[in-house]
Amino acid sequence: GQQVMQIPQYQHVQEGEDFTTYCNSSTTLSNIQWYKQRPGGHPVFLIQLVKSGEVKKQKRLTFQFGEAKKNSSLHITATQTTDVGTYFCAGGGGFKTIFGAGTRLFVKA
Amino acid sequence: EAGVAQSPRYKIIEKRQSVAFWCNPISGHATLYWYQQILGQGPKLLIQFQNNGVVDDSQLPKDRFSAERLKGVDSTLKIQPAKLEDSAVYLCASSSQRAGTEAFFGQGTRLTVV
Repeated sequence: GQQVMQIPQYQHVQEGEDFTTYCNSSTTLSNIQWYKQRPGGHPVFLIQLVKSGEVKKQKRLTFQFGEAKKNSSLHITATQTTDVGTYFCAGGGGFKTIFGAGTRLFVKA
Repeated sequence: EAGVAQSPRYKIIEKRQSVAFWCNPISGHATLYWYQQILGQGPKLLIQFQNNGVVDDSQLPKDRFSAERLKGVDSTLKIQPAKLEDSAVYLCASSSQRAGTEAFFGQGTRLTVV
């Protein structure tokens, strides 16, 4: 069945450094969503990408959807302590949305 | 706009006992999801409703888990009997359309089975 894999599992950065998490699907996706979950919280929607090769930006966050619509990335420029949490991608195909295992980001001040 | 409401927030039960969780989605949202999130893992879809019909329950352990969404609004998820490995956070989410659109999550119910 469809699988969505995320790497890395964990990332420790110094405040001000950049951070990237990657998402790969075993099948072609209709769309990809990104969520952020703060420690002890629930996932909060960040963005959805639909088009092949799409790139979207939200302030310091840049989201990309691969040309083949099987992979995606989230890049954070100049991380801040408020960026800590787990970032999940969720791949949509048909009527299903499959979450990756997430990348947990630690930011050291 | 009120968010997705879930109760209880926390529950501790002994193995082999039963437990039920309740979810009230955002008003007007046709799609409702129940996810299980084990510590350190991503949310795993248990069941998805479109109005009061089941769209996907392929990962729901049907020998012990059941869910219903009467009248297409709020929903309950039940576990009977509970096992130790059921310890997790149970998240309810809703979206206005079918899967592939933004999902709004509730705070979740943290279940501990001892």
